Formats: sequence, C-alpha cells, structure tokens
Amino acid sequence: GAVVSQHPSWVICKSGTSVKIECRSLDFQATTMFWYRQFPKQSLMLMATSNEGSKATYEQGVEKDKFLINHASLTLSTLTVTSAHPEDSSFYICSAGGGEAGSQPQHFGDGTRLSIL
Amino acid sequence: GQNIDQPTEMTATEGAIVQINCTYQTSGFNGLFWYQQHAGEAPTFLSYNVLDGLEEKGRFSSFLSRSKGYSYLLLKELQMKDSASYLCAVKDSNYQLIWGAGTKLIIKP
Repeated sequence: GAVVSQHPSWVICKSGTSVKIECRSLDFQATTMFWYRQFPKQSLMLMATSNEGSKATYEQGVEKDKFLINHASLTLSTLTVTSAHPEDSSFYICSAGGGEAGSQPQHFGDGTRLSIL
Repeated sequence: GQNIDQPTEMTATEGAIVQINCTYQTSGFNGLFWYQQHAGEAPTFLSYNVLDGLEEKGRFSSFLSRSKGYSYLLLKELQMKDSASYLCAVKDSNYQLIWGAGTKLIIKP
C-alpha cells in the first residue's frame, strides 16, 4: 500500500528555535498533502493543505507566517514551525493522497512529536 | 455547517462485538472513511464506503446509509489490541475530508 514517511519523529528544542518537518510520499506522487496537529486526547485538526507548485491553503486561525509550508515536488512537503514556543508543542501529522474523487484514502506519516522547552 | 458525530467513548469486553456509530451532515458526499488511531500514533486506514450497504474486511465491517447520513463500524471477536480511537471522516463535495472527533474504545478482559 501507499507509504508516507515523516521525519523527524521527535523534536525537543528551546523556545525561539525554528523546526522543519518533512513529509515524503515514497511510492506515489502526491499533488496534495495535508498537515494536521493533534493535542493530547483531542481530535485531529487540519492546519493546511499543501499544493505542489503553489501556495498552501491554511485553515482559519492558523498563522501562515508561523507555519511555513513548502511543497516543491510531487513527493515532498515540508512544514516549518518558525520561532516555536511552548504552546506550539503538539503532535504534527502529515498525510498524502485522497485529495480527489474516488476511494483512495489519505495515508498518514508516523507523526512528529514536538516539545518546546 | 458541516458536522460529524460519534460517541466519545465506548467500553466492550474481549471476544465480544461492538458497533461504533457515526452520523454526518456535510455539503455533499464523496465517501466515508474509518480510521484507527492508537494512542501516540498516527491514524491508519480501515475502510471506505461510498454506496449504501455493508463492506466486510476480516473482523471489521463498515455500513453506510446515505439517505440517513449514517454509518457504523462493527468490530467482531474483540482483542485487547483493538483498544484505540476510531475516527469517522467524510469527503465532502470539494473532496475535503471532514473529521469526526473520534471514539475511544476501551477493551476489558
């Protein structure tokens, strides 16, 4: 089946640091990728839709200048959390596929647990 | 607005059967997905329904009634490893996935 790789799995860093998370579709091309955030014991929250070759579409309330998304190729999207603060600590998950019609589901990366000290 | 409702939490016994319901009100419908998410892990795809009826896949089955805006996930012969959250998601007219908040399933011996 479709495989999505996300890296790194864990990040612990100081407040004010910028953190980059990579999401790769390993065996298929993804014109659309999705970035989610999930706080403990809460549901998935879609942050933005990443579109290859164009600007990302951000959900209401998500700061585009803080969460920079780049989707430069059909197999790679990156999320950069700029000047991260403790309140940005969360579980970030990317997914790919399923953005169009049909039965193809979104396939998720393993997630990145971000802890800002 | 768009809305997906699932029970917050359910408890069942190992070896038993449990049904997790999902009702939805969305702008258009292009399929319904069920995902399993273990604590601290990313969701994994379980099933897809776009036509009315039952889809069976091993111990798991998923049912859809489009006229009622209703689906359920049926888990048979429950195992301890089935303890997880189960997420219902609907693809709307723009092919965007609308997610439910998930149902936490607790399996007791």
